Amino acid sequence: IAGITQAPTSQILAAGRRMTLRCTQDMRHNAMYWYRQDLGLGLRLIHYSNTAGTTGKGEVPDGYSVSRANTDDFPLTLASAVPSQTSVYFCASSGTSGAYNEQFFGPGTRLTVL
Amino acid sequence: GQNIDQPTEMTATEGAIVQINCTYQTSGFNGLFWYQQHAGEAPTFLSYNVLDGLEEKGRFSSFLSRSKGYSYLLLKELQMKDSASYLCAVKDSNYQLIWGAGTKLIIKP
Repeated sequence: IAGITQAPTSQILAAGRRMTLRCTQDMRHNAMYWYRQDLGLGLRLIHYSNTAGTTGKGEVPDGYSVSRANTDDFPLTLASAVPSQTSVYFCASSGTSGAYNEQFFGPGTRLTVL
Repeated sequence: GQNIDQPTEMTATEGAIVQINCTYQTSGFNGLFWYQQHAGEAPTFLSYNVLDGLEEKGRFSSFLSRSKGYSYLLLKELQMKDSASYLCAVKDSNYQLIWGAGTKLIIKP
């Protein structure tokens, strides 16, 4: 593994189904983030984790949950998917959550909820 | 509320220079980032400014004026591969990135 990986690459999901998007990084970064990107809107933060064992809510957390059991993995779960959750989801990580720390992004997961 | 404004789309000619502006209103300021995003791909880091002035990095330069809440990204000697979206983001008082919607740059030969 080099950098950040996400799985699946894309998914079509029926409304009401549960779905977990996976994210793994091998850079030993403390901070990790989940964003969604929708046409015409900037990246919006869903949840974040400043270090293993801690998580926090971003701008648009409703309908999503995360866990951070270890440094490398940061899964995002949609408990009961709705069509408005159709989006491209990016996982990112940075060394710390401080001022200058560029975020490195995974390749994204394109999710369609029907 | 927090707000980042950028033009939606710009067009420029190969070999020319283009300036992409970004204005921001955020609760606190801990630096401004520019990212490049090619269609269907992830954003990649271009530059970071935290003090006023110009930061130059090869063909790309980024400028910041904190008193005006303003930044620009300057791309010189444009190449076709520079066709992409350019995202402006500000780190707020909680050290979270607030993102603009991005500027789609179209390069014509």
